[in-house]
Amino acid sequence: AQSVTQPDIHITVSEGASLELRCNYSYGATPYLFWYVQSPGQGLQLLLKYFSGDTLVQGIKGFEAEFKRSQSSFNLRKPSVHWSDAAEYFCAVGEAVSGYSTLTFGKGTMLLVSP
Amino acid sequence: KAGVTQTPRYLIKTRGQQVTLSCSPISGHRSVSWYQQTPGQGLQFLFEYFSETQRNKGNFPGRFSGRQFSNSRSEMNVSTLELGDSALYLCASSFLGQSTDTQYFGPGTRLTVL
Repeated sequence: AQSVTQPDIHITVSEGASLELRCNYSYGATPYLFWYVQSPGQGLQLLLKYFSGDTLVQGIKGFEAEFKRSQSSFNLRKPSVHWSDAAEYFCAVGEAVSGYSTLTFGKGTMLLVSP
Repeated sequence: KAGVTQTPRYLIKTRGQQVTLSCSPISGHRSVSWYQQTPGQGLQFLFEYFSETQRNKGNFPGRFSGRQFSNSRSEMNVSTLELGDSALYLCASSFLGQSTDTQYFGPGTRLTVL
């Protein structure tokens, strides 16, 4: 069964500093990978997704992620964090083999932005 | 285009009761998935419906059930509520429920079981 690990439960970054959130996955085939963000009291919003092709994917709000098959990783990055980026971030793997849209999520990383 | 809507947003029930949550997908979307979010277990897949048929189911007891109507609206029901059922229940819709479809999430229903 697939699984997703987000090793950092909390991360604090100064506003304007760069950000990298880690995600490692376990999946038997080429995975479909996603990053979602959840603000307090809100549902999940898709930041970006990777299915195939270029391993560096661009998303909304200035986020990007890089798929590294050799490391089973899909880390999320942003060059300069804004206070409004404070939220919880979830990495997820989709079921590429079955074709279903079911997502398996990591436990999430809470991003705190300090002034 | 309106997003995914879930009603009610908040719900308080007592142990042993049952509850029904509702989800209206984005217009044109035929797939609806449900997830349970708790601090301990994180986000866990409950089930997915497409064209009124349950296509996929997560590892939850039979107390958790759902259905989908011809207009793609979906409901989930939890019978004989337990304290551990307290969670945020998220609904997500997508066009065809394929693995490459983007899933759009609603704001969730916060269920508290006392």
